[in-house]
Amino acid sequence: NAGVIQTPRHKVTGKGQEATLWCEPISGHSAVFWYRQTIVQGLEFLTYFRNQAPIDDSGMPKERFSAQMPNQSHSTLKIQSTQPQDSAVYLCASSFRVANTGQLYFGEGSKLTVL
Amino acid sequence: QQQVRQSPQSLTVWEGETAILNCSYENSAFDYFPWYQQFPGEGPALLIAIRSVSDKKEDGRFTIFFNKREKKLSLHITDSQPGDSATYFCAAINQGGSAKLIFGEGTKLTVSS
Repeated sequence: NAGVIQTPRHKVTGKGQEATLWCEPISGHSAVFWYRQTIVQGLEFLTYFRNQAPIDDSGMPKERFSAQMPNQSHSTLKIQSTQPQDSAVYLCASSFRVANTGQLYFGEGSKLTVL
Repeated sequence: QQQVRQSPQSLTVWEGETAILNCSYENSAFDYFPWYQQFPGEGPALLIAIRSVSDKKEDGRFTIFFNKREKKLSLHITDSQPGDSATYFCAAINQGGSAKLIFGEGTKLTVSS
């Protein structure tokens, strides 16, 4: 079985530009999570979906960040007007069960660099 | 406020030694504690996990020891191998509450041969 697929693996944007990151969860998984990883802040929760419905976006920076899950096979994280502090590895993960198991399957991440 | 803390930040052991990675947490509602292993350029991968009703969980060379009263746990890696060199994250979740998994800062383990 293929794991969680994230594209692009690397993205470089200029300050003020938009960045869209894509995630394809493992087929049959009910929950999709987005995390951000940096050296300073570590692994930070951003948002998650259960059966495509947004459940908790408490970690999302307001105004510029948005996430969607239009169908069960992909989710997107969009960052508008990117800033240098948005530079990070953005990790998508999926989970088989609807319940809160804490058993996440992560993709390899999308490394965003904002110049 | 860091809800899950790990120590040390980095650890170097010789091949064959036992590596001990420590973790502590603040929220008494946490009841499930997975450890994730991450290699450079990859996403974290679930390694082993323990429920708060247990005090020990073993899986091959990896063992979690859990002390609920002190809100502490540790990951022991026996007979450490160079291939175990990675960053290890302790995480916590309240399975009856939010699905948000809270991660510690990580411990970077280097196993020298």
